[in-house]
Amino acid sequence: AQRVTQPEKLLSVFKGAPVELKCNYSYSGSPELFWYVQYSRQRLQLLLRHISRESIKGFTADLNKGETSFHLKKPFAQEEDSAMYYCALRDHGSGNTGKLIFGQGTTLQVKP
Amino acid sequence: DVKVTQSSRYLVKRTGEKVFLECVQDMDHENMFWYRQDPGLGLRLIYFSYDVKMKEKGDIPEGYSVSREKKERFSLILESASTNQTSMYLCASSFAGTASGQFFGPGTRLTVL
Repeated sequence: AQRVTQPEKLLSVFKGAPVELKCNYSYSGSPELFWYVQYSRQRLQLLLRHISRESIKGFTADLNKGETSFHLKKPFAQEEDSAMYYCALRDHGSGNTGKLIFGQGTTLQVKP
Repeated sequence: DVKVTQSSRYLVKRTGEKVFLECVQDMDHENMFWYRQDPGLGLRLIYFSYDVKMKEKGDIPEGYSVSREKKERFSLILESASTNQTSMYLCASSFAGTASGQFFGPGTRLTVL
């Protein structure tokens, strides 16, 4: 079964420290993976997609097929990065329905 | 910019009431979704729709139904609201295939008393 695991419910770091939000997935084929972010009182929004290999707000995520991971990283955390982060995997068993499988989310708290 | 709107930001209903939550998107997306978001449980899919009048159950469809009569509108219905349906409800939409990912509405905070 396809699954996404975010092992940390809460990650607390100091401003300027490196951040790594963990995401592991289970899928035997080529995955399509996403990171979403939800700032306080704002809507959930797409942060980045692995197929784009982009860097948004200083965040990057590299797909590691050997470790089935898609960890989100930022070298220097800012207070405005405090938010809830969700990792998501496209459900490849659902055809073109666009269905995503979400992890349980990690709250990132950046302390001053 | 993709716009996904939801009919209410906050809603308070009584046990047993019929509740309608509406979602509208303006990007001609084929797919639409309803989730509920609860602390510690993340996002759980209730129902989704991949075309007008088409719907499929998600992970937690019990106690809910949906309607999609027009491409841009997807309604979530609680036939008889119960206190355990107090939650944040999120609507999302996407094109067929998810290379672009899903776009979310602002959410409706529903409280059932």
